[in-house]
Amino acid sequence: GQNIDQPTEMTATEGAIVQINCTYQTSGFNGLFWYQQHAGEAPTFLSYNVLDGLEEKGRFSSFLSRSKGYSYLLLKELQMKDSASYLCAVRNQAGTALIFGKGTTLSVSS
Amino acid sequence: EAGVAQSPRYKIIEKRQSVAFWCNPISGHATLYWYQQILGQGPKLLIQFQNNGVVDDSQLPKDRFSAERLKGVDSTLKIQPAKLEDSAVYLCASSSRDGATYEQYFGPGTRLTVT
Repeated sequence: GQNIDQPTEMTATEGAIVQINCTYQTSGFNGLFWYQQHAGEAPTFLSYNVLDGLEEKGRFSSFLSRSKGYSYLLLKELQMKDSASYLCAVRNQAGTALIFGKGTTLSVSS
Repeated sequence: EAGVAQSPRYKIIEKRQSVAFWCNPISGHATLYWYQQILGQGPKLLIQFQNNGVVDDSQLPKDRFSAERLKGVDSTLKIQPAKLEDSAVYLCASSSRDGATYEQYFGPGTRLTVT
């Protein structure tokens, strides 16, 4: 079966660093995506990993280990606007739809 | 570049009624997806189109849900008759075959409440 696990909730303070973990078990693998979703809004693309290693994009970084079925999203210098749900998603094959986890709700406080 | 458009944004209906949602993808995007997102969960694929052909509809409850994408551009998703458990946000997304990422762009969604 297909299974993607991530923590339900996390809290952090402004300026801190937070790491959101994601583990997956899927029938195939053709990339792992992280999306950000603010309450009542559509998911927006944050990052994409298909090879092992770290991808850095500004304050956000994403890591992938295919052998371990594991990824994390690292958010640095947290801001209040980073309070949102973070969705981990896996694509089984090229061009197919994404399989999403339930999302991690991050609350950033001052 | 205009994003994915969806309408209506909100809809309230009674159970056993029918409802239809409309999606206009980003211009030139051949692939279109409909996802259902129940509160507190991640989006779940209902149906994927490639141009006007269905690629994957394995999770579409075909006894009540139907979708079409005429002319390979706009798409409509219909529910008839609706059940209470259909209350969710219906997200439309589109992607291009350009590049290796096949990043999906999501529309704002239609929030359906079935009473």
